Amino acid sequence: GQQLNQSPQSMFIQEGEDVSMNCTSSSIFNTWLWYKQEPGEGPVLLIALYKAGELTSNGRLTAQFGITRKDSFLNISASIPSDVGIYFCAGASFGGGFKTIFGAGTRLFVKA
Amino acid sequence: EAGVAQSPRYKIIEKRQSVAFWCNPISGHATLYWYQQILGQGPKLLIQFQNNGVVDDSQLPKDRFSAERLKGVDSTLKIQPAKLEDSAVYLCASSLEGMQQQYFGPGTRLTVT
Repeated sequence: GQQLNQSPQSMFIQEGEDVSMNCTSSSIFNTWLWYKQEPGEGPVLLIALYKAGELTSNGRLTAQFGITRKDSFLNISASIPSDVGIYFCAGASFGGGFKTIFGAGTRLFVKA
Repeated sequence: EAGVAQSPRYKIIEKRQSVAFWCNPISGHATLYWYQQILGQGPKLLIQFQNNGVVDDSQLPKDRFSAERLKGVDSTLKIQPAKLEDSAVYLCASSLEGMQQQYFGPGTRLTVT
């Protein structure tokens, strides 16, 4: 079945540093989405990407839909302590309705 | 706008007992999803409804899990009987018809002892 490989698994960074994480798959997706999950809460959508090559920003966050449609990355610039959480990529493909699968997540720790 | 509501937030049961979770999606969202999130993993889709019809239940362990969305609005997910490996957070999400952006509830943390 479809699988997403998300890396790194975890990151320990200093406040102010930039962060980069990515997601790859052997399958093609129509949409890539990036979510953030904080303890005790459900994931919250950060960025949605709909076209191959698309580059989209949301504040300090920037994400790109890979040209091959098999990968995506998320960058966070100038990290702050509230960036702490788990970041999930999700790929959606159409097959009798959109089907979405999630990566295993990147756990981000920010030291003030 | 109210978000996705789920209850209960926490549940502890013994193995072989039954449990039910409830979800009320965002008003107007035709698509409703139930996910299982095991500690340290991403959400795994259990079942997807479009209004009151099932779109995808290929990963639902149908011998013990069932879900319904009778009036096309709120939904219940049931486990009967529960096993130790069912310990997880059960997330409900909803989306507008045809849209991939999903809005998640806070989840129900289930512990099976």
